[in-house]
Amino acid sequence: EPEVTQTPSHQVTQMGQEVILRCVPISNHLYFYWYRQILGQKVEFLVSFYNNEISEKSEIFDDQFSVERPDGSNFTLKIRSTKLEDSAMYFCASNEGVYNEQFFGPGTRLTVL
Amino acid sequence: KNEVEQSPQNLTAQEGEFITINCSYSVGISALHWLQQHPGGGIVSLFMLSSGKKKHGRLIATINIQEKHSSLHITASHPRDSAVYICAAPTSGTYKYIFGTGTRLKVLA
Repeated sequence: EPEVTQTPSHQVTQMGQEVILRCVPISNHLYFYWYRQILGQKVEFLVSFYNNEISEKSEIFDDQFSVERPDGSNFTLKIRSTKLEDSAMYFCASNEGVYNEQFFGPGTRLTVL
Repeated sequence: KNEVEQSPQNLTAQEGEFITINCSYSVGISALHWLQQHPGGGIVSLFMLSSGKKKHGRLIATINIQEKHSSLHITASHPRDSAVYICAAPTSGTYKYIFGTGTRLKVLA
C-alpha cells in the first residue's frame, strides 16, 4: 500500500542552524502539507502546497520557513535559522484532492539545542 | 478559540469495556477524520466520514454534520487500543486540517 515517507526520523541541531526535512508524498497525490506538533500539544497546520506554490500558510510559517518540491517526488520543509521553540514533531501529509483524506508520514522529530 | 474540541481528554478503561470518544466542532466542514497516534508519534488514519456511520473491526465512527458532532466507539477494548485518538476537520474553503486536542486512552489488562 502506498505511503508517505519522511526523512530523517530524528534530527538534532544547534540553535541558528538550517535544517531541511524531507518528505516523499504518495505518487499520484497533488496536495501536500506540513504540520507540526510540539510535545504535549495538538497538531498544528503550517502550510499547504499545490501546483508548485503555497496555497495557504499559518501565522507560524514565517520567513524562517520555506517549502519546495525540488523534483517530481520530494517535498521539503526548510527552517533557515532554528530556534529552541522549533523543537517539535513535523508531519508531512498528502492527498489526491483537496477534500480527500490526508495521509500522514511517520514524522520527523526535530530537537533544537 | 478551539474550533475542534474532544472529550474526554483522558480516559482509562478496563479491558473489554465499551469506549466512546466525542468530537465537536464549530467550523464548517464537509467531513471529519479520526486518527490514532501511538507513543512513538506516528499518525494512523482510522476513518474519514461525512455522514452516518462507518465500522472497521471493533471501531465504529458516527457523525452528524448538522449537529457538528462525531463519536468514535471502541467495542471490547484491548490494551493494544491504548493510544491518543484525534479528530481532525478539513475546513470548508481551505485545504488544511484543524485538529482536536486528542483523547489519551489507556486500556488496562
